[in-house]
Amino acid sequence: DQQVKQNSPSLSVQEGRISILNCDYTNSMFDYFLWYKKYPAEGPTFLISISSIKDKNEDGRFTVFLNKSAKHLSLHIVPSQPGDSAVYFCAAHDGSGNTGKLIFGQGTTLQVKP
Amino acid sequence: NAGVMQNPRHLVRRRGQEARLRCSPMKGHSHVYWYRQLPEEGLKFMVYLQKENIIDESGMPKERFSAEFPKEGPSILRIQQVVRGDSAAYFCASSPPGHSFNEQFFGPGTRLTVL
Repeated sequence: DQQVKQNSPSLSVQEGRISILNCDYTNSMFDYFLWYKKYPAEGPTFLISISSIKDKNEDGRFTVFLNKSAKHLSLHIVPSQPGDSAVYFCAAHDGSGNTGKLIFGQGTTLQVKP
Repeated sequence: NAGVMQNPRHLVRRRGQEARLRCSPMKGHSHVYWYRQLPEEGLKFMVYLQKENIIDESGMPKERFSAEFPKEGPSILRIQQVVRGDSAAYFCASSPPGHSFNEQFFGPGTRLTVL
């Protein structure tokens, strides 16, 4: 069962425009959500996170929005840059357990065209 | 301050052989996590260890797979009698003491190919 889903395998946007990456989840016990960015042949790099008690977190060009009632979060990148081209993973932490494990979505490949 | 180190970066094994993957966490980090990424999929949690203790191994297959994080030295993920389905990228992450799940730093991964 896929508890974290990224339904768009890929996204292509023009440089300077907004990129919106979406993520849906099913487990209401998730208390923390994270976005990771991954380049080929490298490990994931932490990008931005949000606690379940908030609905928005912003860091420079990156903003994450959380809609708990819809069990949906999104990552906005504006303006998009060619260097943002990578695979983006949404991840969630289950607050009901005594473990730091993260549950990842399948990833969305973002291509930013110059 | 070096990041999370993993070696080897690439490992080729024939079916039935053993694979040993090593992970050296960041300095000061006492928590280690192992994840596996199959082709075209996201990362799947395998095991969470603290020094000399396995805290959560709910994602690890019951047979052939084992993990350790000794008092001294790197964390080891060991796969015995590998099969083709074990071919994947294996990522290790580390975090500082406490439930710092939001501070997991990932290594570059070990790409295992089983022939």
